Amino acid sequence: QKEVEQNSGPLSVPEGAIASLNCTYSDRGSQSFFWYRQYSGKSPELIMSIYSNGDKEDGRFTAQLNKASQYVSLLIRDSQPSDSATYLCAVKPGRGSTLGRLYFGRGTQLTVWP
Amino acid sequence: GAVVSQHPSRVICKSGTSVKIECRSLDFQATTMFWYRQFPKQSLMLMATSNEGSKATYEQGVEKDKFLINHASLTLSTLTVTSAHPEDSSFYICSALLAGRSYNEQFFGPGTRLTVL
Repeated sequence: QKEVEQNSGPLSVPEGAIASLNCTYSDRGSQSFFWYRQYSGKSPELIMSIYSNGDKEDGRFTAQLNKASQYVSLLIRDSQPSDSATYLCAVKPGRGSTLGRLYFGRGTQLTVWP
Repeated sequence: GAVVSQHPSRVICKSGTSVKIECRSLDFQATTMFWYRQFPKQSLMLMATSNEGSKATYEQGVEKDKFLINHASLTLSTLTVTSAHPEDSSFYICSALLAGRSYNEQFFGPGTRLTVL
């Protein structure tokens, strides 16, 4: 069973703060990790991908990966009300899985209040 | 790049009718596409994996005779919900696999909201 766990939230932060979203996964052989943002009533949008241990920064977003701990996180700096959405963690497992198939967490709902 | 479109964006139909949803990769070729369903306030549920030129692979519990998938070209996959019933009302989302790179990113279409009366 390839499980991806996220705190469902809701996570509520004030505008300008750092929002921290966490995700753990069960398949130790997992290769690729993705964060998607989903606004209410819309489809998911890919915002970050990370493949190696450490940090990857893209604008206000930083993804962090620790394969030994089977943990991936997303930090959003200077949070804005427009960041309010559900954030989905997705994991591409190791061998024995359909090419390209992702396993999704249930998502963390983030609210940034002005 | 990596734009995926879906058509229609919204459809309302009567119970017992069939509905076809199209998923297109606009600026890349996608040998693999995925079909998801999402009920309100729930997570994405993978229904099936669609491979160009071959039969789709359905997830456990998804009726392949009810949800017909055709992936006839490298840029188009279709999902047909046959004999739709109110319980099939949901948000259907496709994604396309951007292969050819090492890491195989999935890009989602905008989704189709199906309401069965």
